Amino acid sequence: EAGVAQSPRYKIIEKRQSVAFWCNPISGHATLYWYQQILGQGPKLLIQFQNNGVVDDSQLPKDRFSAERLKGVDSTLKIQPAKLEDSAVYLCASRYDSLVYEQYFGPGTRLTVT
Amino acid sequence: RKEVEQDPGPFNVPEGATVAFNCTYSNSASQSFFWYRQDCRKEPKLLMSVYSSGNEDGRFTAQLNRASQYISLLIRDSKLSDSATYLCADYCGSGTYKYIFGTGTRLKVLA
Repeated sequence: EAGVAQSPRYKIIEKRQSVAFWCNPISGHATLYWYQQILGQGPKLLIQFQNNGVVDDSQLPKDRFSAERLKGVDSTLKIQPAKLEDSAVYLCASRYDSLVYEQYFGPGTRLTVT
Repeated sequence: RKEVEQDPGPFNVPEGATVAFNCTYSNSASQSFFWYRQDCRKEPKLLMSVYSSGNEDGRFTAQLNRASQYISLLIRDSKLSDSATYLCADYCGSGTYKYIFGTGTRLKVLA
């Protein structure tokens, strides 16, 4: 079974530029998460989708971050404009449904903002 | 108090030793917990789930202590390949459930 796919794997941008990340969850997984992991910290939830609807975006900095999951499959996370403190690994994870607790992570996108 | 707290370590142990990490949580209503392993520059991978009293998988044992609000991970007969960061996560919420991660505990197994 194919895992969670993410691209790009690495991205370097200058502050105030924009960037977008893509995630394709495990086939059939209804729940999709975007996390931000800053070096030395655990993953922090940014947004959770159930199919193509947003369940929780309370920790998403909405003035600069946006995310969508069209058709309930793959998802994109965008940052515009980027700040230095956005340098982190952005992890996508998926889960089968609300009755199955285990989530599976993609390889992440390592973002460096200079 | 942080929702999920872990000692960042590093825990340096010789090969073959037994090592244990604790993870404290603040939400007394939490029911489900997870241990993830994260290798350097890699994504977290699910190691074990802890739903009630505990779970065991080979050399790994996870325990839940509700009275003191912590979960533990015990690794017996440590291998060099066990060197990694171990993250604990609390699956909790009111209405909408989400995973709250600790900062992780770094383990180094020495030859």
